[in-house]
Amino acid sequence: DSGVTQTPKHLITATGQRVTLRCSPRSGDLSVYWYQQSLDQGLQFLIQYYNGEERAKGNILERFSAQQFPDLHSELNLSSLELGDSALYFCASSVGPEPMRLFFGSGTQLSVL
Amino acid sequence: DQQVKQNSPSLSVQEGRISILNCDYTNSMFDYFLWYKKYPAEGPTFLISISSIKDKNEDGRFTVFLNKSAKHLSLHIVPSQPGDSAVYFCASRSYNTDKLIFGTGTRLQVFP
Repeated sequence: DSGVTQTPKHLITATGQRVTLRCSPRSGDLSVYWYQQSLDQGLQFLIQYYNGEERAKGNILERFSAQQFPDLHSELNLSSLELGDSALYFCASSVGPEPMRLFFGSGTQLSVL
Repeated sequence: DQQVKQNSPSLSVQEGRISILNCDYTNSMFDYFLWYKKYPAEGPTFLISISSIKDKNEDGRFTVFLNKSAKHLSLHIVPSQPGDSAVYFCASRSYNTDKLIFGTGTRLQVFP
């Protein structure tokens, strides 16, 4: 158990809809990262928050947004969903701002039908 | 633009033999490298790392080698065990962008 909690584990929705993925980092970790894993793809970095502030941005679509709350949990919002957004979304956390050793949650499997 | 490449999508090795997983990178700004292991229905877990100032790091059965001139990273598992069967991701951090970039993974199967 990595200590990183992601909910829900599975999500099935329709095109055009909006969903929210939630992540609770390990106790004491201030950074939260979001990654997307599509079929046959590696882990694509989306965004990082450190202590409530956006710190680094990757290949995150404009339809996607995220935030980190004062209690350090994070939410990833995906809107106007398309079939191609179907993927496994991972959250990870680390103690400091630098992405050295990350601890990953077990992921949220999103299926857009 | 795939900055971290794992060109072998799969590898099959007999139990007790050596497993060698390879990773190539293109960005000379990468200064820290990691290997993660992923089992089905679980998130990736950290395995071993190496800084760019070293060329080898060892932890039990796992050894990571870094060849900076070739921009090549490899993970050796000796001896391989059936429990090592998983997908292995290499990852590299760029010191100028401070992002951790992952490869596409190599599925290792260790058979008896």
